[in-house]
Amino acid sequence: KNQVEQSPQSLIILEGKNCTLQCNYTVSPFSNLRWYKQDTGRGPVSLTIMTFSENTKSNGRYTATLDADTKQSSLHITASQLSDSASYICVVSDPGGYNKLIFGAGTRLAVHP
Amino acid sequence: DAGVIQSPRHEVTEMGQEVTLRCKPISGHNSLFWYRQTMMRGLELLIYFNNNVPIDDSGMPEDRFSAKMPNASFSTLKIQPSEPRDSAVYFCASSPSSRGPSRRDEQFFGPGTRLTVL
Repeated sequence: KNQVEQSPQSLIILEGKNCTLQCNYTVSPFSNLRWYKQDTGRGPVSLTIMTFSENTKSNGRYTATLDADTKQSSLHITASQLSDSASYICVVSDPGGYNKLIFGAGTRLAVHP
Repeated sequence: DAGVIQSPRHEVTEMGQEVTLRCKPISGHNSLFWYRQTMMRGLELLIYFNNNVPIDDSGMPEDRFSAKMPNASFSTLKIQPSEPRDSAVYFCASSPSSRGPSRRDEQFFGPGTRLTVL
């Protein structure tokens, strides 16, 4: 079964610190991998989209990496801010014929002052 | 651009009642998705429309669930009769794909409808 596993489940860091979230997937073949940010009470918002040929992609203080050989991805957040408190969801596109997305359970990040 | 619009934002109903959730996708987007999010199962795709036609409804849990897209600017998700286990947040998302979705097409999510079935 195609799955997307994320770790840790939750994380607490102090404002200004860096952190890295992990994602392992078994979806194969593989089309693209996305990281979404979901604030409490809101819908997910895309941070990055990477195809299998891309190793890294940045969006401001967010940097995603991808290793298609080991089927691992990470999301690194630099100089965290209170507004980074949210759930971060790793999403892999289904190898089927359309843009079907398979979602991880997410990592809940809390940034404390 | 107003983004994807969903209504209502919150719905509380009693078991057995009919529930209708509404979605207005972003103008010009050809693909529309209905998702359900729960703490236990995370985000799950319920149904996908392309050019108003249902393409994949394999995620619809039971016959109690039905979805329609009568035109490019409106879709509904109906639950009849509702049950307590249907309590969840239901998201609608749209994507700008044209001739079948590109695999890099962004999906834009609405704010969701929080459904509580008592």
